[in-house]
Amino acid sequence: KAGVTQTPRYLIKTRGQQVTLSCSPISGHRSVSWYQQTPGQGLQFLFEYFSETQRNKGNFPGRFSGRQFSNSRSEMNVSTLELGDSALYLCASSFGQGGQETQYFGPGTRLLVL
Amino acid sequence: DQQVKQNSPSLSVQEGRISILNCDYTNSMFDYFLWYKKYPAEGPTFLISISSIKDKNEDGRFTVFLNKSAKHLSLHIVPSQPGDSAVYFCAASRGYTGANSKLTFGKGITLSVRP
Repeated sequence: KAGVTQTPRYLIKTRGQQVTLSCSPISGHRSVSWYQQTPGQGLQFLFEYFSETQRNKGNFPGRFSGRQFSNSRSEMNVSTLELGDSALYLCASSFGQGGQETQYFGPGTRLLVL
Repeated sequence: DQQVKQNSPSLSVQEGRISILNCDYTNSMFDYFLWYKKYPAEGPTFLISISSIKDKNEDGRFTVFLNKSAKHLSLHIVPSQPGDSAVYFCAASRGYTGANSKLTFGKGITLSVRP
């Protein structure tokens, strides 16, 4: 079974621009969560989508948004990029049925904001 | 407020010996705990998990112990191999409260296994 895939793997943007990252979950998984990893803050939860609806949200500004499509693929958008948005963005998928589920991560998208 | 803490940033062990990685948490609502292994520029790879109704879970060379009263868990790797050298993250979630999608991570421990 194929794992979680993310595109692109690397991205360079300048301040003020916007960016869209894509994530394809493991087949059969309906929940997609997004995380940001930075050296200072570690791995932090951004939001989760299930059945095309945002189900949980972390403590990030409204510049960070996402969506999910009917095939469970998800996109994350960051508008008006700031230097501090430079990070590794990870998505993780799970069945999303509730209870104690394991999330499986993709390889991440490395975003550099100049 | 760091709810999951991995207080030792690094650990170095000899090949063949036991590696013990520790993790503490403060939120008593956490009921599911996971360990992930991560190489630079890659996503975390799931290793092993444990539910709060258990105190031990074993999978091959990896064993996770949970002490709920102390809010402490540990990952034991026996025997340690050079390929185990990586950053290990402890994560926790509130599986049965509907917030199971949100994993709270520790800062990670860098394990180095010397040949």
